[in-house]
Amino acid sequence: DAKTTQPPSMDCAEGRAANLPCNHSTISGNEYVYWYRQIHSQGPQYIIHGLKNNETNEMASLIITEDRKSSTLILPHATLRDTAVYYCIVRLGSNDYKLSFGAGTTVTVRA
Amino acid sequence: DGGITQSPKYLFRKEGQNVTLSCEQNLNHDAMYWYRQDPGQGLRLIYYSQIVNDFQKGDIAEGYSVSREKKESFPLTVTSAQKNPTAFYLCASSFDRGRLPQHFGDGTRLSIL
Repeated sequence: DAKTTQPPSMDCAEGRAANLPCNHSTISGNEYVYWYRQIHSQGPQYIIHGLKNNETNEMASLIITEDRKSSTLILPHATLRDTAVYYCIVRLGSNDYKLSFGAGTTVTVRA
Repeated sequence: DGGITQSPKYLFRKEGQNVTLSCEQNLNHDAMYWYRQDPGQGLRLIYYSQIVNDFQKGDIAEGYSVSREKKESFPLTVTSAQKNPTAFYLCASSFDRGRLPQHFGDGTRLSIL
């Protein structure tokens, strides 16, 4: 799997958009970008994933650069409940069963 | 609502004792997984199962055992052979083991008395 690099922490004001960057410069053509988050003492929660195109769901948007070497997760209107560790991972689409989280980004949403 | 249920949330084990962690899902997922999470070490795969009555070892299977007699259930037994069992155990499931995302339960925290 390609390695990812994320900032260790970031703060965000409640109600504002949170933009979480992720670098994955060694990503291969058939690897997907996934985002999960983990609130303290809970299981990881799947947020979104994508291959090339930008993706949006009810939780967030995923913007992937044209060269696919980096991506940004956007939480459009952060709330206090979005305070969590956010993990960006890349993995193959087939027969790649093992998830491997790095250190992630600790996001703190402040009132 | 569909989801993954892990029980108990907290579990204490005495030395030399086997304990079983429960994982049930009603998402109709074929694949199920057990991970262990330790502080500062991320996730490590213990076992996974693609279909009923079949399972494979992950990276740290020693001292653990599983069964998959029903599609919905994938219990994990932490045996006395596991010398450092204190950890946060996470169960996950997915429709297949490919690109579709894995969904997690809320975990069981196991401690040694």
